[in-house]
Amino acid sequence: GESVGLHLPTLSVQEGDNSIINCAYSNSASDYFIWYKQESGKGPQFIIDIRSNMDKRQGQRVTVLLNKTVKHLSLQIAATQPGDSAVYFCAELRGGSNYKLTFGKGTLLTVNP
Amino acid sequence: DAGITQSPRHKVTETGTPVTLRCHQTENHRYMYWYRQDPGHGLRLIHYSYGVKDTDKGEVSDGYSVSRSKTEDFLLTLESATSSQTSVYFCATQGEETQYFGPGTRLLVL
Repeated sequence: GESVGLHLPTLSVQEGDNSIINCAYSNSASDYFIWYKQESGKGPQFIIDIRSNMDKRQGQRVTVLLNKTVKHLSLQIAATQPGDSAVYFCAELRGGSNYKLTFGKGTLLTVNP
Repeated sequence: DAGITQSPRHKVTETGTPVTLRCHQTENHRYMYWYRQDPGHGLRLIHYSYGVKDTDKGEVSDGYSVSRSKTEDFLLTLESATSSQTSVYFCATQGEETQYFGPGTRLLVL
């Protein structure tokens, strides 16, 4: 099975609301996590990352939270906009793996106007 | 997008024919990767390269080969295409902090 996965395959929110996308991982040796956004017909695009020595990292309208105790990662998007509609993937990097990422299956975020 | 281009962007081919997909990068990144993306499976690593002429298998390497004769180019070859290789293929490079992805190649094997 996948070592990185998502709790919900789809998420629908109203424009202006906050969105939370969750991800679980199983390898406690993972030391780097990334969130990607993929719009229809395009390649994944980096959003934000976090290292295992951090609990929280903020970007522009996005925040990633890492809970190592329960091996859980979340992406929070503030004031969600229609342009945020996409599939969001979390990815996990295990140290010494030649930067080989393991991806979750993705969550489809739909923002309703 | 770290200057990654993929060619062709779309291809239709017949079962049993060889197919080569090309990835080209302009950032001089050492590591390059080929993934396939399928519904229900997400992104899965096919092969990767950690330098010129240095490659290794990923989790779904059967039926695929790769070559890296120059830093900027990473080729993925399907020796004899099968319908199960119908997919969207993404190339990626490892930058200083993260992996950057190309726009993808949509391959249909009939």
